[in-house]
Amino acid sequence: DAGITQSPRYKITETGRQVTLMCHQTWSHSYMFWYRQDLGHGLRLIYYSAAADITDKGEVPDGYVVSRSKTENFPLTLESATRSQTSVYFCASSDQGSITEAFFGQGTRLTVV
Amino acid sequence: GNSVTQMEGPVTLSEEAFLTINCTYTATGYPSLFWYVQYPGEGLQLLLKATKADDKGSNKGFEATYRKETTSFHLEKGSVQVSDSAVYFCALSEDNRLAFGKGNQVVVIP
Repeated sequence: DAGITQSPRYKITETGRQVTLMCHQTWSHSYMFWYRQDLGHGLRLIYYSAAADITDKGEVPDGYVVSRSKTENFPLTLESATRSQTSVYFCASSDQGSITEAFFGQGTRLTVV
Repeated sequence: GNSVTQMEGPVTLSEEAFLTINCTYTATGYPSLFWYVQYPGEGLQLLLKATKADDKGSNKGFEATYRKETTSFHLEKGSVQVSDSAVYFCALSEDNRLAFGKGNQVVVIP
């Protein structure tokens, strides 16, 4: 299916565990982004990538790791999950960064217990 | 850095009422401005955008005008429907990424 897909949609994990959220897009967009959405904070940028093998920190990168070995995939890893990382995570992609429309996945709801 | 401020709190209104959601921004240079909408259980989708001062973005009956003199990009709709119930985010472009406001939940009552 064309578009941008995130998996899993829902995840419960324990404190201290490593967890990876997947993001896949079929448009060959150059840019990909990870945001987290929290009540009272809106969307905050965690990491973004301008192309394969190029990543950069956003507003709240601590505790997260990303990689982009292929243009279409942009996984987000929580190395040692904490309760403060309980959130809804959105992946997005765009053709030319913030100049054009960003397309969002449906989100992953992560709960850290 | 650049930032976006949206009015606090949810917005509840009756069907066919006039909707305004305020958005102001702080920026160096001339960013593009966006409104995104998030329907329940879904990701965000672009509602409208404006790329330069005095541009008006419009879509699905919604409008917003890029006002450089007041650094604002307020969203308006003349007659809302129940289907417009969603969370609305103002955003601006900054170094190839988007900076979002905190969002406003809009609830339209039949």
